[in-house]
Amino acid sequence: DSGVTQTPKHLITATGQRVTLRCSPRSGDLSVYWYQQSLDQGLQFLIQYYNGEERAKGNILERFSAQQFPDLHSELNLSSLELGDSALYFCASSDGRGYTQYFGPGTRLTVL
Amino acid sequence: GQNIDQPTEMTATEGAIVQINCTYQTSGFNGLFWYQQHAGEAPTFLSYNVLDGLEEKGRFSSFLSRSKGYSYLLLKELQMKDSASYLCAVRLTGGFKTIFGAGTRLFVKA
Repeated sequence: DSGVTQTPKHLITATGQRVTLRCSPRSGDLSVYWYQQSLDQGLQFLIQYYNGEERAKGNILERFSAQQFPDLHSELNLSSLELGDSALYFCASSDGRGYTQYFGPGTRLTVL
Repeated sequence: GQNIDQPTEMTATEGAIVQINCTYQTSGFNGLFWYQQHAGEAPTFLSYNVLDGLEEKGRFSSFLSRSKGYSYLLLKELQMKDSASYLCAVRLTGGFKTIFGAGTRLFVKA
C-alpha cells in the first residue's frame, strides 16, 4: 500500500460524457501527478501540481483538466469522452524533492 | 524531443540473472528511475540514479552512464514473482516532470 488513494476503482461511461477522478496523496506529500496508461502507449504523463499550483504539463488534451485543492487532494476531469480515452489513470504523489513518486492503485475508465 | 528505449519483452529462467537495458535521449536530465509494474497494478519504485555508477539494493541493482544516455537494471536470483513490466523513466530538468519508457515485460520461467 503506497498511501495514495484513488476513487473510483472502476468507471464505465458512454461517449460524450464527463467524469471526475479523485486522488488523495500520501500524508505530507505536496506534489500530485496524473498519468494515463493505455495498452498501446505505456505510461503517459498528463499534469503535475505542487501545493495547489500547476507545475508541469504533459500530453494532456484540452478536454481534460485537473486541479489540486487546499487539502492537497486532486481531481482529474475528463469531458466529451471518446472511446480512445479508455485507459488506466494513475495518480502519484511525492514529497518536495520529488525523487520518488508513489502511485495509487489507479482508476480503470471504460468508455462505451 | 524525448525518447526512451527499452526492449519490449525478455524471458529468463528462475534463479538466473537478467539485465534490462534502457537508453534515453532527453532535453535535460535530472535522474533516472526504475519502476516495477505487475499487470493491472500500480508501478512501484525500485531505484533512482542521479550520478554515474552502480547502485545495489538487495537482488536489484541499477547502473547509470549519463555520458552514454544509458542505464540498466540487473535482477539476480530471479523468482517467479519477478515476472512483471519494468519501466525506465527520466526526470527532466526544470521541475518534476518525468517521462516513462514503454516498459520491458519480463517473463520468468521455471
